[in-house]
Amino acid sequence: EAGVAQSPRYKIIEKRQSVAFWCNPISGHATLYWYQQILGQGPKLLIQFQNNGVVDDSQLPKDRFSAERLKGVDSTLKIQPAKLEDSAVYLCASTYSPGQGSSGYTFGSGTRLTVV
Amino acid sequence: AQKVTQAQTEISVVEKEDVTLDCVYETRDTTYYLFWYKQPPSGELVFLIRRNSFDEQNEISGRYSWNFQKSTSSFNFTITASQVVDSAVYFCALSEWGRGNKLVFGAGTILRVKS
Repeated sequence: EAGVAQSPRYKIIEKRQSVAFWCNPISGHATLYWYQQILGQGPKLLIQFQNNGVVDDSQLPKDRFSAERLKGVDSTLKIQPAKLEDSAVYLCASTYSPGQGSSGYTFGSGTRLTVV
Repeated sequence: AQKVTQAQTEISVVEKEDVTLDCVYETRDTTYYLFWYKQPPSGELVFLIRRNSFDEQNEISGRYSWNFQKSTSSFNFTITASQVVDSAVYFCALSEWGRGNKLVFGAGTILRVKS
């Protein structure tokens, strides 16, 4: 089975610019997560979708971050305007049914964002 | 509230040594899942194991073993006869069944295995 696809793999932008990341989860996976991993830290959940509805966005900085999951499949995470502290790896993960399966969660390779 | 603590920031060992990575968690739920992930320098998160809160049996997979103790809220990970390829960042994570099942990660432990 194909894994979780993310693009781009790397992105360098200047502060105050905007950027978008794309995620294609595993086919049939209803739940999709976006995590932010700052260097030296563990991943932190930004937003969780169940199909195309938001389950948890309590840690999403909504003044600059937005995310959508149209038709309950692909998802896009946007930052506008970017700040230096947004430099991080953005990981997308999906699961068929939360907690189910041998691993439960499948992660993509991530997008490494550098804001200069 | 969910919380995962990995007190060891970095561990260095020499090849063939055994090493244990500690993980302590906090949760109010009775149904939850615990995970270990490996993150090599390439950056991807590699799943190692998942345990549910009702299964306290220890598990062994090759050189890897896990010790789950609910009494101390710990889920420790041991690598026997470490190898250079084990060098990576290891994350412990917790998922509560009744709270959206989001994964909450610890800060990670950097393992350096020297030849």
